[in-house]
Amino acid sequence: AAGVIQSPRHLIKEKRETATLKCYPIPRHDTVYWYQQGPGQDPQFLISFYEKMQSDKGSIPDRFSAQQFSDYHSELNMSSLELGDSALYFCASSFRRPVDTQYFGPGTRLTVL
Amino acid sequence: KQEVTQIPAALSVPEGENLVLNCSFTDSAIYNLQWFRQDPGKGLTSLLLIQSSQREQTSGRLNASLDKSSGRSTLYIAASQPGDSATYLCAGGGSQGNLIFGKGTKLSVKP
Repeated sequence: AAGVIQSPRHLIKEKRETATLKCYPIPRHDTVYWYQQGPGQDPQFLISFYEKMQSDKGSIPDRFSAQQFSDYHSELNMSSLELGDSALYFCASSFRRPVDTQYFGPGTRLTVL
Repeated sequence: KQEVTQIPAALSVPEGENLVLNCSFTDSAIYNLQWFRQDPGKGLTSLLLIQSSQREQTSGRLNASLDKSSGRSTLYIAASQPGDSATYLCAGGGSQGNLIFGKGTKLSVKP
C-alpha cells in the first residue's frame, strides 16, 4: 500500500540558511500534519492542513511556514535556521479528521551546522 | 492543555512474557488515542487507534484499551518477541486532529 512520502530524507544546512521539506500524503487523504522530533524527545505538533486550508497550529516558530497545494502535497519552509532546529521532521496524513488514523512518513532528518 | 504521560520509561522483559504499557492523559475530552512504535532513528508506525467511543482495539498480539473517565490507556503485548524491542508512544488526538505524544516507553525483549 502507498505510504506517506517525504523528501529529502536527509538535509544539512548552515545557520541562517533556508530549507524546504516536502510531503506527499497517502492518495485520497485530505489532511496533512507536520511534527518535529528533537533528539531524545517526543514528536511535537507544528501545523496541519485540511483540504488545503490551515487547520490548526501548534508550536511552530514564526520563521517557519507551510502550505498545502492543489494536489494535496505539503511543504514546510524554514528560514533563518538555528542550531536548535536540528531534528527529525515528520509528516503524517489521514483521510478524515479528527478521528482517523494518522499515518506517518519516514521523516526528514535536518542537521543545522 | 493536554498532557500525556507514559509509565514506565523503560522496560526489559524476557522473551515470551506478556506485558502492559501504561499511558495517562489529563484531558478526558480526547477524540482518539493512538499507539505507535518507533525504532531508533526511524519513523512512527501506527499500531492501534481507539476512538473516543470505543473501549478497546485488538491487532494480532496487541490489545489496547481506553478508559476516558480515568484518563488511561493500556497497550497489552502478548507473548513478547525480541522483534518487539522498540519505543512505544501513545498520543491523544484533539478536536483538530493534532496528536499530543507521551515521552514513550523503551521496551527491550531479551532472547
